[in-house]
Amino acid sequence: DVQMTQSPSSLSASVGDRVTITCRASENLSTYLNWYQQKPGKAPKLLIYSASSLHTGVPSRFSGSGSGTDFSLTISSLQPEDFATYYCQQSYTTPPFTFGPGTKVEI
Amino acid sequence: EVQLLESGGGLIQPGGSLRLSCAASGFTFSKSVMTWVRQAPGKGLEWVSAISGSGDYLQYADSVKGRFTISRDNSRATLFLQMSSLRAEDTALYFCAKVAETLFDSWGHGTLVTVSS
Repeated sequence: DVQMTQSPSSLSASVGDRVTITCRASENLSTYLNWYQQKPGKAPKLLIYSASSLHTGVPSRFSGSGSGTDFSLTISSLQPEDFATYYCQQSYTTPPFTFGPGTKVEI
Repeated sequence: EVQLLESGGGLIQPGGSLRLSCAASGFTFSKSVMTWVRQAPGKGLEWVSAISGSGDYLQYADSVKGRFTISRDNSRATLFLQMSSLRAEDTALYFCAKVAETLFDSWGHGTLVTVSS
């Protein structure tokens, strides 16, 4: 199975900061990589699919890049509502639809 | 608007069985692949199972294979997860989600399953 890692596992940032989260896969995923945001007590929400495509309604301050085994999610200017946990997910070799361990973005 | 509403969670003893349901609306349910994802308390997301629109094609995580059964009733736009031989490590919030291509584009709010004596 494809293994996913994320770094950092958590980070502290301030409103207005530029934040980058990385995700690494154990195998080549091409661009079959998705990003989700989850706030405490809430369901995850799809942010980015196919490594760099913004899901409907997602603010443009979110962006994704990468291909193969290395990917990143960038928030260009962190807003108060962006404090959450972010998960990458591979959808290239399924099943399983493997998620990364998550990155918690805190104040 | 897509809506997914899970139900059926609760406290169950180890070795017991439970059936989760997910009532769907706002999209053509019978044409959509559906999936279950769980999240243990304080932990990350774990994919559990998926089912094709017709119900003919089923997928399971190794951790639940042989114990969980996914199914659907397209006439009632409802997804199910039959869980048996439950273990403490199955304790989690269980989400159903709609699958579009290979991404999970809509999620329910989850139903909590607690396996404990």
